[in-house]
Amino acid sequence: GDSVTQMEGPVTLSEEAFLTINCTYTATGYPSLFWYVQYPGEGLQLLLKATKADDKGSNKGFEATYRKETTSFHLEKGSVQVSDSAVYFCALSERSGNTPLVFGKGTRLSVIA
Amino acid sequence: NAGVTQTPKFQVLKTGQSMTLQCAQDMNHNSMYWYRQDPGMGLRLIYYSASEGTTDKGEVPNGYNVSRLNKREFSLRLESAAPSQTSVYFCASTGIMNTEAFFGQGTRLTVV
Repeated sequence: GDSVTQMEGPVTLSEEAFLTINCTYTATGYPSLFWYVQYPGEGLQLLLKATKADDKGSNKGFEATYRKETTSFHLEKGSVQVSDSAVYFCALSERSGNTPLVFGKGTRLSVIA
Repeated sequence: NAGVTQTPKFQVLKTGQSMTLQCAQDMNHNSMYWYRQDPGMGLRLIYYSASEGTTDKGEVPNGYNVSRLNKREFSLRLESAAPSQTSVYFCASTGIMNTEAFFGQGTRLTVV
């Protein structure tokens, strides 16, 4: 079945550091890929998405590119802020709509001033 | 626009008690999901409903039942709560083509 593997955390960075969180996937079809963010005490919210190969999703300074050849969707940000401290989840969904979303285990990011 | 609404937000149960977690979405979405989130385990799918009238087991269905009451509502029932069911529960929904999942705020359940 489909699966998502993302790097284990926690990740601790200083403010303005560069962030990469790795995500790779296996899928039988042509999935859409997502990054979700969860701030303390809240539900998950969509950060960015990409629906086909070579698409780049971006939002709030975060970016991720759908790489079909390496089955990857790594999350990057050039300069993190304390407010980016959260748990980040990589996810995929088959576009048929009949199968559930598949999530990675999440990566906790802490940014210190 | 309320999105996905879960109730209650917090609940404490004694072992053996039963309860139902409620979830409703106002986005006319076809698919709805229940997940549990435990420390270090990420999100694990309990049950899902691809459309009104259908439900399917996810990764960890034991000890739970669900009802897709109508297109808007998807409830999760614990018939006899156990301490192992202490967790944060999230409901989510997606529209056609699974383009994006919308999540509720979560229910923090403690079973003592």
